[in-house]
Amino acid sequence: SAVISQKPSRDICQRGTSLTIQCQVDSQVTMMFWYRQQPGQSLTLIATANQGSEATYESGFVIDKFPISRPNLTFSTLTVSNMSPEDSSIYLCSVVVSGLPGEQYFGPGTRLTVT
Amino acid sequence: AQTVTQSQPEMSVQEAETVTLSCTYDTSENNYYLFWYKQPPSRQMILVIRQEAYKQQNATENRFSVNFQKAAKSFSLKISDSQLGDTAMYFCAFMRRNAGNMLTFGGGTRLMVKP
Repeated sequence: SAVISQKPSRDICQRGTSLTIQCQVDSQVTMMFWYRQQPGQSLTLIATANQGSEATYESGFVIDKFPISRPNLTFSTLTVSNMSPEDSSIYLCSVVVSGLPGEQYFGPGTRLTVT
Repeated sequence: AQTVTQSQPEMSVQEAETVTLSCTYDTSENNYYLFWYKQPPSRQMILVIRQEAYKQQNATENRFSVNFQKAAKSFSLKISDSQLGDTAMYFCAFMRRNAGNMLTFGGGTRLMVKP
C-alpha cells in the first residue's frame, strides 16, 4: 500500500488566479495520475504524471491549463491555471504501487472552489 | 473507447441486509480488468474488489462479492451483512489489459446504510 498526502486539502480562489496542488507519497511509485471530480460526479482522468518528462494529457485537458510536474518518484504537482468557476472540483492524485494492474491508491483530494 | 454505466444513482439498505449495485460496460476488448472502488464521505477512495476478465470465478473479499457476466458485460457488486461503515459512493471501473493502469470510471452509486 501507500500513504498519500495532498496539499492544500481545500482552497477558495479568485477567478483568474492559479493554484498549485501537491501530492506526496511515502514510497517510490512508478505511476502517478491526476483526476478531477466535479461536484456529485465521477472521476475524470486529467493526465499521467511522468517522472522526468512531460505529462500525458487526456482528451479535453491541456498543459497550459493544467501544468504538471513530477521531479521524482514520490512527488508531483498539478497547477490549475487562470481559474474560472467551472474549475471548482475535487482534484485527486493516485498512484500505482504494486504489480497488480489497476490497483490505484488515492490521495484524500483537494477541494477547490473558484469564486 | 470504453464506457461504464451505473444505472442506480442512489440506493439504501438496512443494516445487516444485502444489497446489490449494478454496473454494465461496453468494450470491444477481450482482456481487461474490472474494479469496484469505494469513496466514503471522508473522500479517500479505496479499492474494494477486482476481477480479471479471463477468470470465470467471481471474486470475493469478505462481505463483498461480484457477479461477473462477461457475455452480458455486467459486473454487479453484492454487499452482504451491510454495515453503517459501508455508507459511501461506489464506483465501478474498467481497465484494458496493458493500458498503462488507466481506469475508466462509472458515474457512481451513492449507498446509504440505515440503522
